[in-house]
Amino acid sequence: AQSVTQLDSQVPVFEEAPVELRCNYSSSVSVYLFWYVQYPNQGLQLLLKYLSGSTLVKGINGFEAEFNKSQTSFHLRKPSVHISDTAEYFCAVSDGSGGSNYKLTFGKGTLLTVNP
Amino acid sequence: KAGVTQTPRYLIKTRGQQVTLSCSPISGHRSVSWYQQTPGQGLQFLFEYFSETQRNKGNFPGRFSGRQFSNSRSEMNVSTLELGDSALYLCASSRRSGANEQFFGPGTRLTVL
Repeated sequence: AQSVTQLDSQVPVFEEAPVELRCNYSSSVSVYLFWYVQYPNQGLQLLLKYLSGSTLVKGINGFEAEFNKSQTSFHLRKPSVHISDTAEYFCAVSDGSGGSNYKLTFGKGTLLTVNP
Repeated sequence: KAGVTQTPRYLIKTRGQQVTLSCSPISGHRSVSWYQQTPGQGLQFLFEYFSETQRNKGNFPGRFSGRQFSNSRSEMNVSTLELGDSALYLCASSRRSGANEQFFGPGTRLTVL
């Protein structure tokens, strides 16, 4: 079974500071990895995804993440955050082996609060 | 291209009632997945439908059921509602089952009193 651990439930930062949101996963098969963002009263929006290839993945809104297979991590980073980045961020994993048992397994989420 | 739409956006029911939620996927998408989001349990997978067939199911009681129509629209039904069913129910669509990207709708907020 797959699982995802987001190590911080809340991360407060000041505007224009860098931020890293941590995500570790466990899986016995190859994986696809995702980061989603959820703004209040909205659904989930995909920020970026790792399927294969380069371990450094760039996404929307200036976010990037690095896949580290040996540490089973997929941390999300942004060099300079804005007030508008305040939201909840979810890391997710799915089976990358091409099987039919496809679903997203989510972490509990990290609430990023950007203060002026 | 229109995104995933879910109706209704908000719903209030009482214990013991049943409820039906609707999801219209992005045009051309044939797979629809449903997730439940609660503060305590987070986001949990309910089930996935593709070509009118349930392809995968999460660990939820039989009170939770769904179906998909020939136009790929999907409905989710919860019978004999319990207080713990209060949640945001999210629908996601993708082009095919097992696709590596899902697009989410805004969700239906269900409150059970």
